[in-house]
Amino acid sequence: SQKIEQNSEALNIQEGKTATLTCNYTNYSPAYLQWYRQDPGRGPVFLLLIRENEKEKRKERLKVTFDTTLKQSLFHITASQPADSATYLCALERSSNTGKLIFGQGTTLQVKP
Amino acid sequence: GAGVSQSPSNKVTEKGKDVELRCDPISGHTALYWYRQSLGQGLEFLIYFQGNSAPDKSGLPSDRFSAERTGGSVSTLTIQRTQQEDSAVYLCASSPQAAATDTQYFGPGTRLTVL
Repeated sequence: SQKIEQNSEALNIQEGKTATLTCNYTNYSPAYLQWYRQDPGRGPVFLLLIRENEKEKRKERLKVTFDTTLKQSLFHITASQPADSATYLCALERSSNTGKLIFGQGTTLQVKP
Repeated sequence: GAGVSQSPSNKVTEKGKDVELRCDPISGHTALYWYRQSLGQGLEFLIYFQGNSAPDKSGLPSDRFSAERTGGSVSTLTIQRTQQEDSAVYLCASSPQAAATDTQYFGPGTRLTVL
């Protein structure tokens, strides 16, 4: 069955450093991959979508890569700030173009001042 | 404009009772999704609607779970004879269309606790 794995251990980094989060998937070849941010007690908020034919996507301090050979996406936050502290979820389209998503369990990022 | 809203924000119920959870999507969004998030877990897809129809109910955990959507807008998720394992945060999302490239906008969720 389709499976997504994110590092369940929290990532602690110092303010100003680059945070890198990993999303690995198996038994699937998604056409799209999405990243969301979730703060405690809130619903997820969409950040970026990357297509299978895009190697890299950027938005302000965020960068996402998508390696369909390795079946892996990396999510980078450069010049990290304490306000970036949150849980970050990756999600894959579950079946063809219905919007149904499979989510990873998320990685919690803590940026210390 | 207004985002996705859900009610109630918190619901505590006794085992065996029925509960109804409500979702008001963003106006004009034709697609609506229900997910469940248990403590420390990722989001689990339950069901989605395109308009008022539910093409895929495969994520519903059991026949105690049902959902409907009326007027292409409000949706209700009903859980009958609740069990303790139903305790979770139930999240609703809407998007303009049921397409992989459409952003899903999430509500704040309903935290359900079954005693």
